[in-house]
Amino acid sequence: KAGVTQTPRYLIKTRGQQVTLSCSPISGHRSVSWYQQTPGQGLQFLFEYFSETQRNKGNFPGRFSGRQFSNSRSEMNVSTLELGDSALYLCASSLTSGLAGAGANVLTFGAGSRLTVL
Amino acid sequence: GQQLNQSPQSMFIQEGEDVSMNCTSSSIFNTWLWYKQDPGEGPVLLIALYKAGELTSNGRLTAQFGITRKDSFLNISASIPSDVGIYFCAGHSGNTPLVFGKGTRLSVIA
Repeated sequence: KAGVTQTPRYLIKTRGQQVTLSCSPISGHRSVSWYQQTPGQGLQFLFEYFSETQRNKGNFPGRFSGRQFSNSRSEMNVSTLELGDSALYLCASSLTSGLAGAGANVLTFGAGSRLTVL
Repeated sequence: GQQLNQSPQSMFIQEGEDVSMNCTSSSIFNTWLWYKQDPGEGPVLLIALYKAGELTSNGRLTAQFGITRKDSFLNISASIPSDVGIYFCAGHSGNTPLVFGKGTRLSVIA
């Protein structure tokens, strides 16, 4: 079955602009998580959505937001871009979230969207 | 919040050598995962561990869930050039998000 699909793969923006990234989870997966990856900080959790509801949120400013649609597809948005927002943004899906049977909450990642802010 | 300490940060080894890396946590986890990331790609799951003391293999890879539930180890035997990449440990506890270590960058010299 198809994996996690993220679009776009690469994009370049300038400071002050906003960006929207898209993620299509594995068919049947209802939980979508977003991570920011930078060389210095590693993978930092942004937020998790399950059945269109935000379940967890990481320690990022309000400029970072997301949503999930009824078909489990998810988008994240970053407004008023800063140079420090340059990163690889990774989306991951799982069958469910939180306390669950072994394997049900294991994350499968997409290839990421690499954002460069100039 | 929860933090994972992963070591070593990087390794340079000869092809055919065995590799060991580990992660320790400041708190207890009920799931430990090991991922590998190749350049330009997202992390790919290698091994998942769900019980304290569990020892699981996947080909030349072996990982263990520490008895204290605060650590995990990954061993790679007889390394080959395609083992090059960044290896991440990750831990999960209850309703908290998956927490990642900073990664171990592995380089294999042929």
